[in-house]
Amino acid sequence: DQQVKQNSPSLSVQEGRISILNCDYTNSMFDYFLWYKKYPAEGPTFLISISSIKDKNEDGRFTVFLNKSAKHLSLHIVPSQPGDSAVYFCAASAGGSEKLVFGKGTKLTVNP
Amino acid sequence: SQTIHQWPATLVQPVGSPLSLECTVEGTSNPNLYWYRQAAGRGLQLLFYSVGIGQISSEVPQNLSASRPQDRQFILSSKKLLLSDSGFYLCAWSTGSRTEAFFGQGTRLTVV
Repeated sequence: DQQVKQNSPSLSVQEGRISILNCDYTNSMFDYFLWYKKYPAEGPTFLISISSIKDKNEDGRFTVFLNKSAKHLSLHIVPSQPGDSAVYFCAASAGGSEKLVFGKGTKLTVNP
Repeated sequence: SQTIHQWPATLVQPVGSPLSLECTVEGTSNPNLYWYRQAAGRGLQLLFYSVGIGQISSEVPQNLSASRPQDRQFILSSKKLLLSDSGFYLCAWSTGSRTEAFFGQGTRLTVV
């Protein structure tokens, strides 16, 4: 049972435009959400997180939106840059749990 | 600052051979430690996590085991590798719940 779903395996955008990466979750106990970026043959690096008490968190070009009623979150990258090309993972944890549950990832390609 | 070391970076092992992957964290005390595996098309699958020395939680029944002999050392082992054990293994640490996890560079294991 996949509790964190990233239904788009890949996304391609033009440099300078907005990239929107989506994530859905099924476990209503999840209350902390994170986005990671991963290059091939490297470990994921943390990008941005959001607690369930918020609906938006912004850090530079990256903004995460959380819609609890829809059990949906999204990562917006504006403007997109070629260096943003990577696999992006959505992750979630529940109520003080030590576990992070990851989605399958979305491969973002930003074309010059 | 905190750092995480994971080795080796790549490993090719025959079926039926044993496995030992080591991960150490520096610059923090009593971290939560994690082992994840990224298999093709499967995202990041949590294998084991530990909140303290000798405390191991297993997430997926399998051919692998984990141990935490010291506060900042986490070891992933197998007595007899299977072909299906091939994948990219990642160690990570965090300071607790509702915090980001920081990943090592990963080990590419190929079982032949």
